[in-house]
Amino acid sequence: RKEVEQDPGPFNVPEGATVAFNCTYSNSASQSFFWYRQDCRKEPKLLMSVYSSGNEDGRFTAQLNRASQYISLLIRDSKLSDSATYLCVVKPQTGANNLFFGTGTRLTVIP
Amino acid sequence: DGGITQSPKYLFRKEGQNVTLSCEQNLNHDAMYWYRQDPGQGLRLIYYSQIVNDFQKGDIAEGYSVSREKKESFPLTVTSAQKNPTAFYLCATLSSGYEQYFGPGTRLTVT
Repeated sequence: RKEVEQDPGPFNVPEGATVAFNCTYSNSASQSFFWYRQDCRKEPKLLMSVYSSGNEDGRFTAQLNRASQYISLLIRDSKLSDSATYLCVVKPQTGANNLFFGTGTRLTVIP
Repeated sequence: DGGITQSPKYLFRKEGQNVTLSCEQNLNHDAMYWYRQDPGQGLRLIYYSQIVNDFQKGDIAEGYSVSREKKESFPLTVTSAQKNPTAFYLCATLSSGYEQYFGPGTRLTVT
């Protein structure tokens, strides 16, 4: 079983739509969670960390469900510029400084 | 400007040649990483280093070598033993908050 699993998509949504991605992780001792954004042929960039209580940054909301071992990313009022691949990232446990990356969910926002 | 630099951006080599990819950071982060990304796939960890003069193999270390003589630098050598070296190579650091920061990447093509 993979450490981190994501629906690869693609998700094709119209401008202004709300879209949500989920990501599941296998290690219940996982400590830290993140969403990254990767544009085509570019490096991944940190979009937001995911906190236990959930957190919001403008149109983006991240949530963590420890009981079911998944994190989610909600994008409201989608913009054309949101088109990218979104990577779910999990730090498994204390003392191990490796992160596990999902394979990414491809989002295309259509005019 | 704080950040991670990788050079060159594009690199072309003939099969059978070793090639070294450069990675330099001025973020003062202790941990550095090398990942490989193939088209349409997720990131795979090659090597990582948590401190100067120490490094560990990742999931796909065969055919690669690294050194960590300075905190700022973590070069990766792709040797002729690597069977499928053509890929996008990403260097990264890890902050104290476990956020991974990436360099712009090097696209290596071996023919």
